Amino acid sequence: AQKITQTQPGMFVQEKEAVTLDCTYDTSDQSYGLFWYKQPSSGEMIFLIYQGSYDEQNATEGRYSLNFQKARKSANLVISASQLGDSAMYFCAMREGPRGSNTGKLIFGQGTTLQVKP
Amino acid sequence: NAGVTQTPKFQVLKTGQSMTLQCAQDMNHEYMSWYRQDPGMGLRLIHYSVGAGITDQGEVPNGYNVSRSTTEDFPLRLLSAAPSQTSVYFCASSKTDRGRKIPILDYTFGSGTRLTVV
Repeated sequence: AQKITQTQPGMFVQEKEAVTLDCTYDTSDQSYGLFWYKQPSSGEMIFLIYQGSYDEQNATEGRYSLNFQKARKSANLVISASQLGDSAMYFCAMREGPRGSNTGKLIFGQGTTLQVKP
Repeated sequence: NAGVTQTPKFQVLKTGQSMTLQCAQDMNHEYMSWYRQDPGMGLRLIHYSVGAGITDQGEVPNGYNVSRSTTEDFPLRLLSAAPSQTSVYFCASSKTDRGRKIPILDYTFGSGTRLTVV
């Protein structure tokens, strides 16, 4: 069965420093997609970044980058130059099933709470 | 504004009561799904739909019913609420984004419904 594991319940980072949030996954599929979402205290789910299993380069979106190590089955999120507004819960998620059988289902990790200190 | 609309935002139920959480999207997305979020467990899939008239169970379907009579609407029904169903519920819709090199699912989440069962 597919599974996402986030082993860091909580993290602290100093403002303007970089931070890495860990995510490991387990799947037997060759084709899959990995997502990171941010959930601020207001509760909404905000899409940050996506990595496809066949993407040749690590995904980047502004201050967010994804350190994708396929052999290790890890997809860590790197936030550079942390800002106070980055304080939130972060979820790693995986699209379930191979590309040809899209069902819209996502599997989520447990989440990591990030606190940015001024 | 286009997006996923969930109602109500907050609800308190007594054990044994029934209610329907509403979810509507106006983006003509083919896939819709319901998740519940509990502390330390991330988001877990309750039910999902790949199109009008087609629904299936997710990871935690017990105690919930769904139907999808139109593309736009995907209501979640609690027939006899239990305290274990106290949670935050998210509806999500998605479609295949074929604009990318490898098509991905473009997900949009509703703002959530915070349900308390006493």
